[in-house]
Amino acid sequence: AQSVTQLDSHVSVSEGTPVLLRCNYSSSYSPSLFWYVQHPNKGLQLLLKYTSAATLVKGINGFEAEFKKSETSFHLTKPSAHMSDAAEYFCVVSENPGNTGKLIFGQGTTLQVKP
Amino acid sequence: KAGVTQTPRYLIKTRGQQVTLSCSPISGHRSVSWYQQTPGQGLQFLFEYFSETQRNKGNFPGRFSGRQFSNSRSEMNVSTLELGDSALYLCASSYGQGVGETQYFGPGTRLLVL
Repeated sequence: AQSVTQLDSHVSVSEGTPVLLRCNYSSSYSPSLFWYVQHPNKGLQLLLKYTSAATLVKGINGFEAEFKKSETSFHLTKPSAHMSDAAEYFCVVSENPGNTGKLIFGQGTTLQVKP
Repeated sequence: KAGVTQTPRYLIKTRGQQVTLSCSPISGHRSVSWYQQTPGQGLQFLFEYFSETQRNKGNFPGRFSGRQFSNSRSEMNVSTLELGDSALYLCASSYGQGVGETQYFGPGTRLLVL
C-alpha cells in the first residue's frame, strides 16, 4: 500500500526567504507523486506532479520538487516566498496498481509567510 | 474550459436527515472522485465513478453512496446524517486514465450537521 508522510505540520518563513516543505513516500511500485495547494475556503490546485520522467519537476508559481528514490522523498521548494504562498500544501501519491484515479493524501503542511 | 463545479456550496442539516451533493466535471472528463476533508482525518477518498460505474471505494460506511449519470455528472448521498459527517466534500474529475493522471478539484461543498 502507498502512503505519504509530511514531516512538518506547520512551516513559517519570512517573505523573500526560501521555502522547504518535506514529504516522504512509501510505495512498492514506481510512484506517481503530486503536490497540491489549498487556499482558505478554496478547492485544491495542482502545483506539480512526478510520473517517472525527470526527477526535478517544475511547477506553477516558482515551485519545484525533486524526486529522490534513494531517500523516498519528494520535497517541495521555492527560492523566495511571497505573501500569496500562505496556504495548506498536500503531498499526494496516486494509488497503484490498478486502473483507478484514487489519490492518497498526506496530512498537510500549513505555510505561514511573515512580512 | 469551465472547471469542476459543485452544488450547493454550503449546506446545513440536522442529525438523521439525508443530503445529496452534486458535482459537474470538466467537459470531456469521464471520471469523478469524491473526497471528505475534516480537520481530524484530513482528506480521505470516498469513491470514484467512471462511465457510470463505481471503480473504487474507500473505507466509509454504507450511508455514503454515489452515482454517475451518462453526462458524467455525479451525485453523492449521505443518509442518516451524524455530527461527524460535518466536513468539506470535494469532488475531482479526470479523463479516467488511472494511475498518475491529474485530478482537477472543485471548490467543495461545506456540510454542517447540527
